[in-house]
Amino acid sequence: DGGITQSPKYLFRKEGQNVTLSCEQNLNHDAMYWYRQDPGQGLRLIYYSQIVNDFQKGDIAEGYSVSREKKESFPLTVTSAQKNPTAFYLCASRKDRAFYGYTFGSGTRLTVV
Amino acid sequence: AQSVTQLGSHVSVSEGALVLLRCNYSSSVPPYLFWYVQYPNQGLQLLLKYTTGATLVKGINGFEAEFKKSETSFHLTKPSAHMSDAAEYFCAVKKETSGSRLTFGEGTQLTVNP
Repeated sequence: DGGITQSPKYLFRKEGQNVTLSCEQNLNHDAMYWYRQDPGQGLRLIYYSQIVNDFQKGDIAEGYSVSREKKESFPLTVTSAQKNPTAFYLCASRKDRAFYGYTFGSGTRLTVV
Repeated sequence: AQSVTQLGSHVSVSEGALVLLRCNYSSSVPPYLFWYVQYPNQGLQLLLKYTTGATLVKGINGFEAEFKKSETSFHLTKPSAHMSDAAEYFCAVKKETSGSRLTFGEGTQLTVNP
């Protein structure tokens, strides 16, 4: 079945370490997105990519980086510059030339200790 | 600027009662509107969407929402709540000027009491 796979489900890292969250989709979707979710704040857009080798900053891009070398993959790196990285991270995708909403992965919960 | 506002971060209903979750948007152009549901430690699942056409939209699990341009609202309803409806619900808007971006509300946690 087609879908979006985020891994790992839970991730623990020490403060000051970079960490990369994986997002893979086999839906043949063109656009991919990373959101951060914190209690009571909804979802905030970190980065998005509409085509391979191109991506744009969202509303809270500071301290994060992404790459889009393949259509299927959109990894997110949380760098040591991110001051408060503990959160639930959601990846989503969308088929281009139509807007029927996003398909979401099941999320990665990152805890920095 | 806030694009979508969900009134009430927590809503509690009894099983079998009406569910009403409120969403208001701010937009000077016709928006696309969405409701998503999230169960604990899961991603978001699309409940329903309004793009164009009929203003009363029916979704999955017995939910529906009505787009009211005059009130800039897109409230979510279900006639009879079930225990399995307990989850967090998000309203989202895509403006024609925003490209492919969705902006989400802060969410409403629905509790269903037996």
